[in-house]
Amino acid sequence: DAGITQSPRHKVTETGTPVTLRCHQTENHRYMYWYRQDPGHGLRLIHYSYGVKDTDKGEVSDGYSVSRSKTEDFLLTLESATSSQTSVYFCAISVGDGYTFGSGTRLTVV
Amino acid sequence: RKEVEQDPGPFNVPEGATVAFNCTYSNSASQSFFWYRQDCRKEPKLLMSVYSSGNEDGRFTAQLNRASQYISLLIRDSKLSDSATYLCVVKVNSGYSTLTFGKGTMLLVSP
Repeated sequence: DAGITQSPRHKVTETGTPVTLRCHQTENHRYMYWYRQDPGHGLRLIHYSYGVKDTDKGEVSDGYSVSRSKTEDFLLTLESATSSQTSVYFCAISVGDGYTFGSGTRLTVV
Repeated sequence: RKEVEQDPGPFNVPEGATVAFNCTYSNSASQSFFWYRQDCRKEPKLLMSVYSSGNEDGRFTAQLNRASQYISLLIRDSKLSDSATYLCVVKVNSGYSTLTFGKGTMLLVSP
């Protein structure tokens, strides 16, 4: 177990509301990532972080922001949730050459 | 053209069969290659890295052809527990490298 947890596991929210998803790791890894996974698209990178306060955009960053004020926490915020952001969100940490993923957050925007 | 392309399947095979998955990638600067496995409603998990010389882990064999930008995964003697989606993944080792995932190939092994 790589010590990576996501919260919440499931969330239903209304269109237009802000939502924050949390990724927490216990092993002091420098690199952390947020992906979304949708049918027909596979996993797509939203944002990633290469250290405290150091973040960068991925392939599908519009409508999302991130923050990393501590090594162990990487937060993903949907500034104003839309139905197109209904998805499964995975956080990952870089372990060796590959990644270890959290269990995912299933987000539904109604 | 998608960076990493896979046949989506599903591949339906009986127990004991041999099945092969193929993957092509478009970025010739890709340096690291992997196969991940994802069970239904679960997170992806690393199955194996893919090395230039090819590598084997039990019933699983991965091959890489850099000239053709092609990766393969062979599963011998399929088990029911092999039913999952197999993701082809590449990494370009420059700057802050990130992994790029294919959409995955679904495998269904039946009794």
